[in-house]
Formats: sequence, structure tokens, C-alpha cells
Amino acid sequence: DGGITQSPKYLFRKEGQNVTLSCEQNLNHDAMYWYRQDPGQGLRLIYYSQIVNDFQKGDIAEGYSVSREKKESFPLTVTSAQKNPTAFYLCASSGTSGGETQYFGPGTRLLVL
Amino acid sequence: RKEVEQDPGPFNVPEGATVAFNCTYSNSASQSFFWYRQDCRKEPKLLMSVYSSGNEDGRFTAQLNRASQYISLLIRDSKLSDSATYLCVVVSYSSASKIIFGSGTRLSIRP
Repeated sequence: DGGITQSPKYLFRKEGQNVTLSCEQNLNHDAMYWYRQDPGQGLRLIYYSQIVNDFQKGDIAEGYSVSREKKESFPLTVTSAQKNPTAFYLCASSGTSGGETQYFGPGTRLLVL
Repeated sequence: RKEVEQDPGPFNVPEGATVAFNCTYSNSASQSFFWYRQDCRKEPKLLMSVYSSGNEDGRFTAQLNRASQYISLLIRDSKLSDSATYLCVVVSYSSASKIIFGSGTRLSIRP
């Protein structure tokens, strides 16, 4: 099946710990995105990538890092510098940057212990 | 002023009713518009794109008003399964495309 997957579904982070969220797509999409959603809020863009080995900061990139070594994969690392990481993290992909429909993965819920 | 604004609701309407909500945007250069549906604790899923001429998909109708800078979503003969949060998305193209999600409108359909 074609689609976009995220893992894990739930992730617990201890104080001072870096954690990495996985996002994989087999849709052959060029563009991939990471969003953060807080309760009752809309989606806020963390990072996006239009092509392999290239990515740009979104509106709330501080405390996060990404890599795009393969077209299919766009992992997000939540670093210890992110002081309020508890949120629902959504990965999306589209055929091109912005112009086409975005398809979302099922999300990862990150909780701080 | 937020770049994209939606009435958060909740809209609570009886089954079978017609309900409509709007989404306003501030950037007149915005060029692509979408409505997404998000169920509780799930990812957003595309409901429909919004075209200048308006478009309809079954019970759902989306319209764009460029002069007043808003898009609308109309749901006819609402079903219990329509209960969800509806997100509008506005895309602007300049040196780099910019995608803005509204914070969503919560819709609850009661029996």
C-alpha cells in the first residue's frame, strides 16, 4: 500500500533527552513536512524539505533538527533545547512544495516524563 | 491579525441540518485553498480543494471569495459521522511557498 507512516505512535521523553521521530513515505513525493499540533490548536510548521539533502526552517524550528538523506525518509529529532515538547507531531508529504495536496501520517504523540 | 482565521466553534447542530463555516485569510496573494477534516486524535485528511468557481462533492460545497478573502464550507443533510474538526489551509507562492493551517472549526452533529 502507498502511504506515509510515522513511528512510534507514542513516545516518552525524559528531561534532557533527545528523541527521534520517524517518518517514511512511499508515495515518491519530493516534499516532506513536520508539524506540531497542541490541544485545540492548528498545525504549526517545524521544518520542511523540498528535495533530498535540503531542508528549511518553518515557524517553530527552535529545539528541533531534521535530516533528509533519502527521498523516502524525513526524521525529526526533538532536542533537549525544546523545553515544551509535549504535543502531537504530524509528518506530511506532497508531490511538490506547497502546490499539491499534503498527505499526513498518523502522527506521534510525545509526552514528557 | 492571524494570517488564517476560523471560528473555533463548536457548532452543535441536529442531524439533517445544513451548516456552513468560513475561513478568512489576510494575504491577498494566496493562491491555493483546501479544506481538511480531522477526527479526534487522528491526522488531518483532505476533504476537498477549493477552486475559484466553487466546487461540490456530494453533500459538501466549497467556495472561494477572493474579493473578501475568505473560503467557505457548506455541509448539507449533515450526518453523525460529519462530527469532526474542519481545518482550512491557505497556500501562498512567492520566493518560497507558504502553507498556513487554520486552527480549525469543531462541528458536532447530534441525533
